[in-house]
Amino acid sequence: DQQVKQNSPSLSVQEGRISILNCDYTNSMFDYFLWYKKYPAEGPTFLISISSIKDKNEDGRFTVFLNKSAKHLSLHIVPSQPGDSAVYFCAASEAGNYGGATNKLIFGTGTLLAVQP
Amino acid sequence: KAGVTQTPRYLIKTRGQQVTLSCSPISGHRSVSWYQQTPGQGLQFLFEYFSETQRNKGNFPGRFSGRQFSNSRSEMNVSTLELGDSALYLCASSPGLANTEAFFGQGTRLTVV
Repeated sequence: DQQVKQNSPSLSVQEGRISILNCDYTNSMFDYFLWYKKYPAEGPTFLISISSIKDKNEDGRFTVFLNKSAKHLSLHIVPSQPGDSAVYFCAASEAGNYGGATNKLIFGTGTLLAVQP
Repeated sequence: KAGVTQTPRYLIKTRGQQVTLSCSPISGHRSVSWYQQTPGQGLQFLFEYFSETQRNKGNFPGRFSGRQFSNSRSEMNVSTLELGDSALYLCASSPGLANTEAFFGQGTRLTVV
């Protein structure tokens, strides 16, 4: 049972354009959402996160949007750069007992982003 | 500040054997989580250790176990290896139990033949 789904295995975008990566989830108990980027032979690197009390969070070229009613989130990268080419994972966590989300992250299967020069 | 260190980086084992993987978290981080990454399944949560105690567990058989030492270093063990255990095993370190962001190591690539 895949609680976090990334339905697009791959995405190709031209340099300078917007990349939009999508993620859907089924568990209404998820309270915290994160995006990670992964290059081959390296561990995932944290990009940006959003709490369920917000609908948008921005950090430089990266913006994450959350639509709780649709159980959908998306990551926008503007402008896209060739160095952004990697696998992007969406992850979710339930609320913990210590004021934040837990460290038990449920990941999607990833989307391979290719930014063409 | 050193990152998360996983050893070994690569490992080849025979079906039926057991294996131990090691993870040293970022200095000062007390939570260590383990994940299995396979091509079809993405990253799947195995377990989390904090203060030498298992705090969370994923849906893996009992052949998968772990422990954490007083210096926060963690080991995971897989007994009676199966071909399907071939995967990249990733360790993530966090300051405490409340997630802010988890820092991942480079992983251990386990191949079972």
